[in-house]
Amino acid sequence: GQQLNQSPQSMFIQEGEDVSMNCTSSSIFNTWLWYKQDPGEGPVLLIALYKAGELTSNGRLTAQFGITRKDSFLNISASIPSDVGIYFCAGPYTGTASKLTFGTGTRLQVTL
Amino acid sequence: DGGITQSPKYLFRKEGQNVTLSCEQNLNHDAMYWYRQDPGQGLRLIYYSQIVNDFQKGDIAEGYSVSREKKESFPLTVTSAQKNPTAFYLCASSPGSAPGTQYFGPGTRLTVL
Repeated sequence: GQQLNQSPQSMFIQEGEDVSMNCTSSSIFNTWLWYKQDPGEGPVLLIALYKAGELTSNGRLTAQFGITRKDSFLNISASIPSDVGIYFCAGPYTGTASKLTFGTGTRLQVTL
Repeated sequence: DGGITQSPKYLFRKEGQNVTLSCEQNLNHDAMYWYRQDPGQGLRLIYYSQIVNDFQKGDIAEGYSVSREKKESFPLTVTSAQKNPTAFYLCASSPGSAPGTQYFGPGTRLTVL
């Protein structure tokens, strides 16, 4: 089946630093979604990407839809303590937009 | 306030008992989903429903059952046939107008003793 690989698996950064993470697949995706999950809560949609090459921002977050359609990137600028959490990428199963496959997540921890 | 509610937040059950998790949405979304999340892992799809009175199995449907009698509601029953039911369960819904976009509830943590 379709798999999404996220890297890094986890990262420790200092407040104020910029963060980069990525999501790759062996399959082509037509949509890329980025979610953030706080401990014990449901994931919250951060950014949705629908077109190859698209670059979209949401505050300090910027995500890009890779040109090959097999990858996506999420950057967080000037990290703050509330950025702590798990970031998931997701994309629709081939042939149906109604089912999503999720990456295994990147766990971000921010130190003061 | 529009959103997805799941209740209860924490649920404890004895082994061998069936338990039903509630999921309600007032977003007028057609599609609804149930996921399971285990510690340190991603989300795995249990069941999904694109329309009232219809639902399909996801990747890990064994030991679970659902119903979709109303657009707003999509309850999940964890049966005694589910070998490892202790997990964090997440419900989501999707408007269908934005491809693939799903919105999640706060989750229910089920612990089977």
